[in-house]
Amino acid sequence: DQQVKQNSPSLSVQEGRISILNCDYTNSMFDYFLWYKKYPAEGPTFLISISSIKDKNEDGRFTVFLNKSAKHLSLHIVPSQPGDSAVYFCAASLDNMLTFGGGTRLMVKP
Amino acid sequence: GAGVSQSPSNKVTEKGKDVELRCDPISGHTALYWYRQSLGQGLEFLIYFQGNSAPDKSGLPSDRFSAERTGGSVSTLTIQRTQQEDSAVYLCASSFDAYEQYFGPGTRLTVT
Repeated sequence: DQQVKQNSPSLSVQEGRISILNCDYTNSMFDYFLWYKKYPAEGPTFLISISSIKDKNEDGRFTVFLNKSAKHLSLHIVPSQPGDSAVYFCAASLDNMLTFGGGTRLMVKP
Repeated sequence: GAGVSQSPSNKVTEKGKDVELRCDPISGHTALYWYRQSLGQGLEFLIYFQGNSAPDKSGLPSDRFSAERTGGSVSTLTIQRTQQEDSAVYLCASSFDAYEQYFGPGTRLTVT
């Protein structure tokens, strides 16, 4: 049973527009959420995170929103750039453990 | 400073052979994790080391898989009698706190 799900395996966006990546979770005990970005042949790199006590965290072009009642988080990238093309994983933390979603491949077209 | 390193970067092995994958975590990080990513799949947790505590092996898929962490630093993941379904990218991560993990580049294992 997947506790963290990314229902969209891929997303295509025009350069300059907003990219919205979604993630759903089932365990209400998760206390921290993270987004990782992964390029081919590289390990995932940390992008942005949010504590469960907050509903929004912003860092430059990246904003993460958390809706605890819906057990849903999203990553907004605006404006999207071709270099943002990668696989994005959401992850949820509990007791020092991260549970990852299946990833969403973002393609930003010039 | 140096990040997490893994070796080898690629490994091709014949079915039935044993393989060892190595991870050098970031110095000072007390936690070390192994994951694997099969083709088109997400990150699957394998094993977690925290300091000198007994490792959390709950993610290991079979008893052919084992891992150790010597001196609280370097870790080796061993797969015995490899099978074709073991083919994947094996990722190691280390962390200092409970949240942000830093990943190595991974080892791509191909079992023929």
